[in-house]
Amino acid sequence: QKEVEQNSGPLSVPEGAIASLNCTYSDRGSQSFFWYRQYSGKSPELIMFIYSNGDKEDGRFTAQLNKASQYVSLLIRDSQPSDSATYLCAVTRGGGGADGLTFGKGTHLIIQP
Amino acid sequence: NAGVTQTPKFQVLKTGQSMTLQCAQDMNHNSMYWYRQDPGMGLRLIYYSASEGTTDKGEVPNGYNVSRLNKREFSLRLESAAPSQTSVYFCASSPYPDRDKSPLHFGNGTRLTVT
Repeated sequence: QKEVEQNSGPLSVPEGAIASLNCTYSDRGSQSFFWYRQYSGKSPELIMFIYSNGDKEDGRFTAQLNKASQYVSLLIRDSQPSDSATYLCAVTRGGGGADGLTFGKGTHLIIQP
Repeated sequence: NAGVTQTPKFQVLKTGQSMTLQCAQDMNHNSMYWYRQDPGMGLRLIYYSASEGTTDKGEVPNGYNVSRLNKREFSLRLESAAPSQTSVYFCASSPYPDRDKSPLHFGNGTRLTVT
């Protein structure tokens, strides 16, 4: 069973600080990695994706990928109360095919005003 | 842009009743998916359809059936609902076959309670 592991939290971060969210995955064939944000009672929405080792920045968000260590992270700079949500890490299954993404159980992030 | 539309938003069933969850997307995506989300379990894939005319089981298919009616529509049927099927159900679509650059686009979900 291919797995994606995340710390469930809650992770509490002061407003204006950097929030760091981590994810490890077991399938070495996974090629693409996604971060979704999910507010309580809402559907997941895509905020970042990364395919290559290294960092990818988009506004206040930076995704980091290390395929050798099978590790993905998401940094949120200048955290705002509106960033309070559950963040889901998702990876493609190795081996090809249209069989969707494998999701972690999510990290609950709380930004304290 | 509607994106992925699911109906109904909420449903309460008694054990043994049947129902169909409807999903439609207007993004011309090839692939469609049904996930369920339970507290502490995360999102789990029930069934998927890589293209019109094909369907395949995901990791938790027991108790469900699906139909890919056309490119736009993908329905999920519970033939005899059980309390264990109480969950939030999400339909999603993806522009596969560019799978490695194809995030899922989710509908708003259906909250199903089976008593």
